[in-house]
Amino acid sequence: ETGVTQSPTHLIKTRGQQVTLRCSSQSGHNTVSWYQQALGQGPQFIFQYYREEENGRGNFPPRFSGLQFPNYSSELNVNALELDDSALYLCASSYPIVGPRGYTFGSGTRLTVV
Amino acid sequence: GQQVMQIPQYQHVQEGEDFTTYCNSSTTLSNIQWYKQRPGGHPVFLIQLVKSGEVKKQKRLTFQFGEAKKNSSLHITATQTTDVGTYFCAVIQGAQKLVFGQGTRLTINP
Repeated sequence: ETGVTQSPTHLIKTRGQQVTLRCSSQSGHNTVSWYQQALGQGPQFIFQYYREEENGRGNFPPRFSGLQFPNYSSELNVNALELDDSALYLCASSYPIVGPRGYTFGSGTRLTVV
Repeated sequence: GQQVMQIPQYQHVQEGEDFTTYCNSSTTLSNIQWYKQRPGGHPVFLIQLVKSGEVKKQKRLTFQFGEAKKNSSLHITATQTTDVGTYFCAVIQGAQKLVFGQGTRLTINP
């Protein structure tokens, strides 16, 4: 059983640029959620995808967008990057939605905006 | 939405000492989950509690859910250096998302 994989592991971008982060969910998991974790903070919910549809969104601006593909993998896109977007971006998969076995998180993408 | 406050923010112990972190809410929780994040790592699911007064054990870790379902605790007996990390409680909000506490960062002096 494969876990959740994220790419890239690290990324440096310039303010104003756009970035795409990728996530492959654990086998059998049809729900993917994205979280932003600033240094020293708990993860903050960005949004969730279930069967290719957005299924809930946190308090993040529209420049944060996403996709889920038929194989349940997912992308997180961030436009017009700001310095405060520097964080660890975590992808989490589950089946069913936030089930009793909790989320399986990927290792994350460390984004630095300069 | 539901919020959870976690205390303490930091805890430093000598190896072999016990450790406890607390998670508190002003509202009744339907369930609570606990995660561990090693330094430089990602959150790893430990357990979910759903019943009032529930107590679950995993080796040296003991998890409790309060009778009123407004608080929870994680207790580690006789800490080891492998216990180093940040421990988060999290509550399920709606059917969609986890709301995490601020976490308790545990450091251990060997």
